[in-house]
Amino acid sequence: DADVTQTPRNRITKTGKRIMLECSQTKGHDRMYWYRQDPGLGLRLIYYSFDVKDINKGEISDGYSVSRQAQAKFSLSLESAIPNQTALYFCATSQAGGNQPQHFGDGTRLSIL
Amino acid sequence: DQQVKQNSPSLSVQEGRISILNCDYTNSMFDYFLWYKKYPAEGPTFLISISSIKDKNEDGRFTVFLNKSAKHLSLHIVPSQPGDSAVYFCAAPDSGGSNYKLTFGKGTLLTVNP
Repeated sequence: DADVTQTPRNRITKTGKRIMLECSQTKGHDRMYWYRQDPGLGLRLIYYSFDVKDINKGEISDGYSVSRQAQAKFSLSLESAIPNQTALYFCATSQAGGNQPQHFGDGTRLSIL
Repeated sequence: DQQVKQNSPSLSVQEGRISILNCDYTNSMFDYFLWYKKYPAEGPTFLISISSIKDKNEDGRFTVFLNKSAKHLSLHIVPSQPGDSAVYFCAAPDSGGSNYKLTFGKGTLLTVNP
């Protein structure tokens, strides 16, 4: 069983639609993250959360919002999707403290037409 | 501006030989570095890390070398195996090892030929 589960794994939708990507984890980690990966680029941080009451913007938060419903759940929303948000999205978790590696889900491939 | 650079988009080696993947960084405040491996249709998985107080860290077939004066690190895989074929990302945390804001390189696709 995956420790970090992302749903859906693939999604095709139209411009202007609202989309939610979900992430759940069984690792018991406090910290959760959302990244996007575009072809030829590394992963870029969208939002991160240190605990249920702590949400922080990352490098590219415009056009996105998040919700930390519980320690184990962190969802990413696109309120009004646009084609340049077509990308591969990854959720990650880590323990609190310094130098803790992040553990990633298998990604959601999102296509916006 | 890219703070973590992987200038080789791809690398091809023969099975059994050494693979050397390179990474350069510009931010002298980085004090911890990580390598991740990514297979198609899967998320990145943590491979090995190194603190700036060391110049080498070894884990089985994988060794990471850090040259702080050159702001350069490299990942050595010896011997390379076909199952090592993947994209390798170099990453560094932005804030003194808090590891909450990783900056990733663009990745290097390693192909190990049988």
